[in-house]
Amino acid sequence: AQKITQTQPGMFVQEKEAVTLDCTYDTSDQSYGLFWYKQPSSGEMIFLIYQGSYDEQNATEGRYSLNFQKARKSANLVISASQLGDSAMYFCAMREYRSNDYKLSFGAGTTVTVRA
Amino acid sequence: NAGVTQTPKFQVLKTGQSMTLQCAQDMNHNSMYWYRQDPGMGLRLIYYSASEGTTDKGEVPNGYNVSRLNKREFSLRLESAAPSQTSVYFCASTIRSSYNSPLHFGNGTRLTVT
Repeated sequence: AQKITQTQPGMFVQEKEAVTLDCTYDTSDQSYGLFWYKQPSSGEMIFLIYQGSYDEQNATEGRYSLNFQKARKSANLVISASQLGDSAMYFCAMREYRSNDYKLSFGAGTTVTVRA
Repeated sequence: NAGVTQTPKFQVLKTGQSMTLQCAQDMNHNSMYWYRQDPGMGLRLIYYSASEGTTDKGEVPNGYNVSRLNKREFSLRLESAAPSQTSVYFCASTIRSSYNSPLHFGNGTRLTVT
């Protein structure tokens, strides 16, 4: 079964508008972490934002916020005031304890294209 | 501050050739990882080293070996390359084995096996 599901392969957003990227996850652990990474066309993986399973408040980092709904096992990324430089692939990931280590598992990613 | 450095950036191999991908981090991180990225599949864990002196298999270890040379360096070896190993390979590290510690990634190695 997929641990991390990102149902939107690609999205278009107008510059200066907000966009929400969906992510659902599957775990029976109590302690886990949820992460979002950005991969621009140059290929590097950039850490954006983190949400812990015990955190009651949604995480925010500048224009990025994470809409965490624990009961629904949902961790959507919201990018506000989109910029052309936000065009990239975005990955949702979850870190949980498996075989002696907290492993990071990734979703398939969502490509975001920002239009001027 | 270099972070995680991978070499080489690009490599083309013929089927059956061997090669080693190098990874070094200068952040004094304890845990290191090798992932491969294929279109439509996100990143999949090949091998990891939770701490210096230990290595373990991840999700897709077949055809690969690793060496944690010291705390800084973690190499990935392909003994006999196959076309199915054409992929982008990422090395990553994190300060500790914990659910709240993010992984920091190198810039990747694009490998083509013909």
